Amino acid sequence: LAKTTQPISMDSYEGQEVNITCSHNNIATNDYITWYQQFPSQGPRFIIQGYKTKVTNEVASLFIPADRKSSTLSLPRVSLSDTAVYYCLVANNAGNMLTFGGGTRLMVKP
Amino acid sequence: KAGVTQTPRYLIKTRGQQVTLSCSPISGHRSVSWYQQTPGQGLQFLFEYFSETQRNKGNFPGRFSGRQFSNSRSEMNVSTLELGDSALYLCASGGLAGNEQFFGPGTRLTVL
Repeated sequence: LAKTTQPISMDSYEGQEVNITCSHNNIATNDYITWYQQFPSQGPRFIIQGYKTKVTNEVASLFIPADRKSSTLSLPRVSLSDTAVYYCLVANNAGNMLTFGGGTRLMVKP
Repeated sequence: KAGVTQTPRYLIKTRGQQVTLSCSPISGHRSVSWYQQTPGQGLQFLFEYFSETQRNKGNFPGRFSGRQFSNSRSEMNVSTLELGDSALYLCASGGLAGNEQFFGPGTRLTVL
């Protein structure tokens, strides 16, 4: 299984764009990249998923370079409620088995 | 559409006891996965059931077991509880494979 590496923590201010980069050097051809958000004492919540290039939804954008060895989650104009832990995962498409790393603890300040 | 539900939400047990946790997936989802979350080890995959069969298994001892019923509801059982089993146990439901996983609120188990 591909291992992911992401910063332990990040600080930002309300209204700023936040970019969280994740490294996954050993990603396999049929793996895809997924990001989850988790608030304290809640289950993780799916944010976005992609295979290559760029994916955008109403919450975030995901940028994946051609070599797919890294990816960047972009959160536009964060608010205080975006304070959470963000997990980058390389999904095993042989089933629904998610391997979570340590995540990035994002703190949004007023 | 109702989300993933887990019961009970909170549980206190003593060492040596056994516990059964329940998860009801989103209607139509046939995959149910279980995870353990602790401050020290983070989120770890326990096992996944799909159509009543265990499809994937994480690296946990045999004291941790699960099953899935024909209506896709799933239970996990932990026998001979240890203090280190205190954790938030999360259940997630999803589709065939690799799709978005929907997590429940979790069951917080405390072992005394």
